[in-house]
Amino acid sequence: GQNIDQPTEMTATEGAIVQINCTYQTSGFNGLFWYQQHAGEAPTFLSYNVLDGLEEKGRFSSFLSRSKGYSYLLLKELQMKDSASYLCAVTDSNYQLIWGAGTKLIIKP
Amino acid sequence: IAGITQAPTSQILAAGRRMTLRCTQDMRHNAMYWYRQDLGLGLRLIHYSNTAGTTGKGEVPDGYSVSRANTDDFPLTLASAVPSQTSVYFCASSPGTTDTQYFGPGTRLTVL
Repeated sequence: GQNIDQPTEMTATEGAIVQINCTYQTSGFNGLFWYQQHAGEAPTFLSYNVLDGLEEKGRFSSFLSRSKGYSYLLLKELQMKDSASYLCAVTDSNYQLIWGAGTKLIIKP
Repeated sequence: IAGITQAPTSQILAAGRRMTLRCTQDMRHNAMYWYRQDLGLGLRLIHYSNTAGTTGKGEVPDGYSVSRANTDDFPLTLASAVPSQTSVYFCASSPGTTDTQYFGPGTRLTVL
């Protein structure tokens, strides 16, 4: 079966750095997405990785290792508004997105 | 309108009733999707459409039907609602099947 694993919840301090991990086992791989979802709202796109390595976009970076079936999202200089759920999703061989259950990130002052 | 809209925002429905959730996008995206999101579970794909006139079944299609008569609209119908269909429903669209998906605001549906 297809599976995406993320920690259920993480806590971090305002101004700090946090790394959210995602491991996946899917039938094929055609890219990995990270989305942010604030409570009661729709998911919004953060980043996309299809090749190994690090993609940097402002305070957010995403890393991919296809051989290890592993990705992480790195958030720097945390702000209170970063409190949200972070969803990892993989495009499989049928070009369908398989979603993880999400990681709820709690930011404390 | 800009982006994707969904209607209604929320709905309480008696079991056995028929319900259509509406989704409209103005970005001229080819692909559209319906997901349900339940607490503790990831987004699960119900149905999808890669282009107008075509539809396909996702991971959890039972009890749901869709149509794609044109590029902009992708309604989701529950023929006879059951309590297990209580969920938050998101519609999404993307330019192509491998592109970033953009989500509507969601419909919160409660079936009693």
